[in-house]
Amino acid sequence: QQPVQSPQAVILREGEDAVINCSSSKALYSVHWYRQKHGEAPVFLMILLKGGEQKGHDKISASFNEKKQQSSLYLTASQLSYSGTYFCGTESQSGGGADGLTFGKGTHLIIQP
Amino acid sequence: DGGITQSPKYLFRKEGQNVTLSCEQNLNHDAMYWYRQDPGQGLRLIYYSQIVNDFQKGDIAEGYSVSREKKESFPLTVTSAQKNPTAFYLCASSPRQYTGELFFGEGSRLTVL
Repeated sequence: QQPVQSPQAVILREGEDAVINCSSSKALYSVHWYRQKHGEAPVFLMILLKGGEQKGHDKISASFNEKKQQSSLYLTASQLSYSGTYFCGTESQSGGGADGLTFGKGTHLIIQP
Repeated sequence: DGGITQSPKYLFRKEGQNVTLSCEQNLNHDAMYWYRQDPGQGLRLIYYSQIVNDFQKGDIAEGYSVSREKKESFPLTVTSAQKNPTAFYLCASSPRQYTGELFFGEGSRLTVL
């Protein structure tokens, strides 16, 4: 079952902040975040493992609430280059080995000057 | 440079014809994956392989077939049994035993006329 992402789309002005949420009905081992530009391959942003750790690089960070099976991606002081579709991919604890990720339907982020 | 190469980038076929999409990686990764992407649906897992000569069905395997005769190659055949084959197909690989960062190819866009 696909994780649920919200919102489906968001439009921001450059410099504003955004939060993208990802929620699963399954117990999760890890949550991954990817960004895809139109017509291109998805690009890896970060992985969060169970344990509730928060990660980040530059002005993009993420958290993982293991108890709620939820993850959030935080984009602060957004730049034009942040535009694209963001996907969360989840790996459930029931899987063994590299079973691949189950992706959400994506969140379209548009950054305007 | 290391990476994943998918070919062809664009492919047009008539209904009823089988089509094979190529995926080659020189990253020395054990795990390889095929995803299908449709507008508004996110990425859905078709097949995956954790090791040579072994592969597993993903969430939407019906109408598709794969082989893994070499570590670096994981071709996908879209058969005539696939009812709606027009889509964007992404191949990915991962270096770790448990799903780590996915490295994606540039994708193949298949249009069935």
